[in-house]
Amino acid sequence: DMKVTQMPRYLIKRMGENVLLECGQDMSHETMYWYRQDPGLGLQLIYISYDVDSNSEGDIPKGYRVSRKKREHFSLILDSAKTNQTSVYFCASKDRGKNTEVFFGKGTRLTVV
Amino acid sequence: GEQVEQLPSSLIVQEGASVLINCSYTDSASVYFPWYKQEPGKRLQFIIDIRSNMERKQTQRLTLLFDKKTKHLSLHITATQPGDSAIYFCSATNTGGLSGKLTFGEGTQVTVIS
Repeated sequence: DMKVTQMPRYLIKRMGENVLLECGQDMSHETMYWYRQDPGLGLQLIYISYDVDSNSEGDIPKGYRVSRKKREHFSLILDSAKTNQTSVYFCASKDRGKNTEVFFGKGTRLTVV
Repeated sequence: GEQVEQLPSSLIVQEGASVLINCSYTDSASVYFPWYKQEPGKRLQFIIDIRSNMERKQTQRLTLLFDKKTKHLSLHITATQPGDSAIYFCSATNTGGLSGKLTFGEGTQVTVIS
């Protein structure tokens, strides 16, 4: 069963705390993504990973970092969370081949207070 | 970089009627355009795609038109049902090496009323 799993689904953190969002996929996809979704802005790309330890900044990487030590797992880290990082975060994955479907996780709703 | 714009941002339609969502992009290097549907509180789901060497693609109640010259796409949904209520996203990606960056539009909120 092709699946992208995100943990946790909901998270409340205080400003200044560190945040770890986890994502796993069972399809051995090389490419993985982290997006954030805000009302009226659609999905904005934070980071893209092409494989283990091969990560590139997306359009809005400031305030975020990522880690990919295994092909199946891609983590998003917020060091010292800010209130403007309150958002819904989506992880996604795709096969390396061009023009193939991207599979999304169910999202993590992060609230920074 | 690529920018994708969708219009309208929201619409309400009577069940059984048709819906038209417009999408435009800026980067002529974009060659693949998948569309996604997001029902409330759920993950994005792929619904239809088109490549830049095509002008039209149809699947069940969805028809996707593509105009390479004007960099414009339009998604037509016919015979709408309450289950079609969702946010619809247009996206664009280019080819070239390992680049798999997918740029999304802002989304169109479709509400189907009975």
